[in-house]
Amino acid sequence: GQNIDQPTEMTATEGAIVQINCTYQTSGFNGLFWYQQHAGEAPTFLSYNVLDGLEEKGRFSSFLSRSKGYSYLLLKELQMKDSASYLCAVVNQGGKLIFGQGTELSVKP
Amino acid sequence: GAVVSQHPSRVICKSGTSVKIECRSLDFQATTMFWYRQFPKQSLMLMATSNEGSKATYEQGVEKDKFLINHASLTLSTLTVTSAHPEDSSFYICSARGTKFYNEQFFGPGTRLTVL
Repeated sequence: GQNIDQPTEMTATEGAIVQINCTYQTSGFNGLFWYQQHAGEAPTFLSYNVLDGLEEKGRFSSFLSRSKGYSYLLLKELQMKDSASYLCAVVNQGGKLIFGQGTELSVKP
Repeated sequence: GAVVSQHPSRVICKSGTSVKIECRSLDFQATTMFWYRQFPKQSLMLMATSNEGSKATYEQGVEKDKFLINHASLTLSTLTVTSAHPEDSSFYICSARGTKFYNEQFFGPGTRLTVL
């Protein structure tokens, strides 16, 4: 089967750093995406990893370990507008995007 | 670049009626389009994959006669929810994949369907 796990909810303080973990078991692997989704809106692209290691993009970084079936999204200098759902999604061997259930992040003042 | 639009953004209909949702790639040719459904507090679930000029491939548990998909051109796919019922109320999102980067999908803004 195909399974992607991430925490349901997280809370963090404005200005802090938060790490959202994602573990996956899928039929094949052709890359992992992180998306941000605000309520009632479509997902927006944050990052893509296909090789092991860390990809940094401003306040957002994403890490991948293919051997461990593990990724994380790191958000630095949190802002109130970062409150959203963060979706981990894996491209399987058929080219389909398989989504995790999403992590609802609440940023508090 | 890589903009995908959906129409309508919001629709309310009576039980038993059919609703058509359009998904367009505005500035690129989409060889493949995907249709997702998202219930409140849940993630996106793939309903079907459509390739231009061929029949859609439906995921397990998705009724192809209820959710009709037409991908008539490289820039347009439509999803028709036939004989809609209240349990079909959901957020429907399409995405499109071009030819430049095989793995990336560009998402439309979504359509909120409410069936009374």
